[in-house]
Amino acid sequence: DQQVKQNSPSLSVQEGRISILNCDYTNSMFDYFLWYKKYPAEGPTFLISISSIKDKNEDGRFTVFLNKSAKHLSLHIVPSQPGDSAVYFCAANIIQGAQKLVFGQGTRLTINP
Amino acid sequence: EPEVTQTPSHQVTQMGQEVILRCVPISNHLYFYWYRQILGQKVEFLVSFYNNEISEKSEIFDDQFSVERPDGSNFTLKIRSTKLEDSAMYFCASMSRGLDGYTFGSGTRLTVV
Repeated sequence: DQQVKQNSPSLSVQEGRISILNCDYTNSMFDYFLWYKKYPAEGPTFLISISSIKDKNEDGRFTVFLNKSAKHLSLHIVPSQPGDSAVYFCAANIIQGAQKLVFGQGTRLTINP
Repeated sequence: EPEVTQTPSHQVTQMGQEVILRCVPISNHLYFYWYRQILGQKVEFLVSFYNNEISEKSEIFDDQFSVERPDGSNFTLKIRSTKLEDSAMYFCASMSRGLDGYTFGSGTRLTVV
């Protein structure tokens, strides 16, 4: 079951530059998408979300873009900071369901000084 | 900031033994969930719980698993007869209404030997 895919297991970015994390999905019923950040030995922490009726949502250094026709979303972090080093998960939901989240495999982001 | 608390942080058990993983969700939350992450794999939905009953469960959540909200504050996951393949991080989550409020605990690492 690969309904949500993050094809890059890891990404390395220099401090101050832009980090772009990608996520693809296959289920056209998904109508809400979330990004979570996870540090070792901690649970996923909510970062930012986007509804399927929007194509962009911005919160400080974090912006999520949604391309519904391509079933693709991306998370942009700019400027990247060392504290951003973590595993980032994309998750999707069908609002009218039981609010279960379907997660991607995660991308490990490393910010180099 | 309110948080979801899980105990214990690490549990080691022998194959065939019963384990109970405990969670204290955020007090005004109405929806409760268990997820698991096998090492190196995705975070996977197990079960959702609302209004004192299971609202949805995955195919992973077979007869060996059960959930309970015994006293209005705790939310437990019981595995009756553990198998080696049950070794994973188990995350509890709770939510009030909007998906942005979906909050995860730090997880319990279950090791079955």
